[in-house]
Amino acid sequence: QVHLVQSGAEVKKPGASVKVSCKVSGDTLRRLSIHWVRQAPGKGLEWMGGFNPEDDETIYAPKFQGRVTMTEDTPTDTAYMELSGLKPDDTAVYYCSVAEVVRGVISTVWFDPWGQGTLVTVSS
Amino acid sequence: SYVVTQPPSVSVAPGQTAKITCGGDNIGHKNVNWYQQKPGQAPVVVVFEDRDRPSGIPERFLGSNSGNTATLTITRVEAGDEADYFCQVWDAATNRVLFGGGTKMTVL
Repeated sequence: QVHLVQSGAEVKKPGASVKVSCKVSGDTLRRLSIHWVRQAPGKGLEWMGGFNPEDDETIYAPKFQGRVTMTEDTPTDTAYMELSGLKPDDTAVYYCSVAEVVRGVISTVWFDPWGQGTLVTVSS
Repeated sequence: SYVVTQPPSVSVAPGQTAKITCGGDNIGHKNVNWYQQKPGQAPVVVVFEDRDRPSGIPERFLGSNSGNTATLTITRVEAGDEADYFCQVWDAATNRVLFGGGTKMTVL
């Protein structure tokens, strides 16, 4: 059974960058598609991007394009999400999750399991 | 761009049936997934591909999807079902995942 463990809470100043890690156990990262979703305090879920096995590339939500980078370190089975140019409204819990894609078709995508979440606070 | 709409809240008495809707243009042509999120916890999928349940999810959680509305039906509601519920689809036009705004279900 796949399990995801994320890095701890971060406090950053506006303009800084943050890099959140997501350690996979129970399977190898090479076999999985990891996606990232964030949730501002008291708000809903917002997809940021992830690996698309249909095109074999990482895709990003337009809102974050140019500001987010998602990478993987397969020897350590750890995925990373780095967000730059932080603003106070980037304050949120950031989740990694495994994307389930049926027969490699991205339109079937759903997410299970999820990491425990990482709170990123952006404040001067 | 494509939009998925959920009611902000629903209330239901224990033992009754709750229905949470997710509206979108021809959403019946998309795969809809549903997540349950309790306070301070990560979301958990309760229904995927419109109507399938992961192992461990009770049969009380039922999904359907037709026309412009997908529905999560929870029968014999229990106090432990109180949570936020989110629907999720893939928007092929913009190549991105979309979540509904979420519905807070209160068990009276």
